[in-house]
Amino acid sequence: NAGVTQTPKFQVLKTGQSMTLQCAQDMNHEYMSWYRQDPGMGLRLIHYSVGAGITDQGEVPNGYNVSRSTTEDFPLRLLSAAPSQTSVYFCASSYTVSARVHEQFFGPGTRLTVL
Amino acid sequence: EDQVTQSPEALRLQEGESSSLNCSYTVSGLRGLFWYRQDPGKGPEFLFTLYSAGEEKEKERLKATLTKKESFLHITAPKPEDSATYLCAVPPGTGRRALTFGSGTRLQVQP
Repeated sequence: NAGVTQTPKFQVLKTGQSMTLQCAQDMNHEYMSWYRQDPGMGLRLIHYSVGAGITDQGEVPNGYNVSRSTTEDFPLRLLSAAPSQTSVYFCASSYTVSARVHEQFFGPGTRLTVL
Repeated sequence: EDQVTQSPEALRLQEGESSSLNCSYTVSGLRGLFWYRQDPGKGPEFLFTLYSAGEEKEKERLKATLTKKESFLHITAPKPEDSATYLCAVPPGTGRRALTFGSGTRLQVQP
């Protein structure tokens, strides 16, 4: 199993540009999520999904969109990049039992810089 | 609201010098506790899940324990390759959406 994969590893954008961060998992996990990690702020949830076709907002959703058309993929779209979105982005997935979220497995991350 | 506090913030050990990291939590009903290791520039790597007080899990030089108020990650005879940030987290409760992470302990093991 490849686990959770993310592309690209690094990206530099100019303010106002849009892009999509890719995330895929091959563990058949229902629950997938996107976090950003900033120095001194820890991991903060952006969006999450409890299954194909179902997404919801986390604590810092502004400026980001997600969709979940398949169990495997959960892309994160930046609509109009801003310098405040410079961060490291992690995708994670986990299985759920009776809606209970179990341990999450993280991807390697995408380091994004917005100029 | 769930709260997770880790101590110390940073810990420097000599190779072979055993120690423990602490993770104290306040939750509305224990639903489990996770330990992760994070190396610089990489995603958190899952280590352990503990579900009930008294439970213990071991992996190589690491041993995680859980009480009703806190969890410990014991590191026995650490090696330089154990240097990393160690994070603990609790899963979301009813109506919540995200894991609650502690701020982590940065461990440095010197040869």
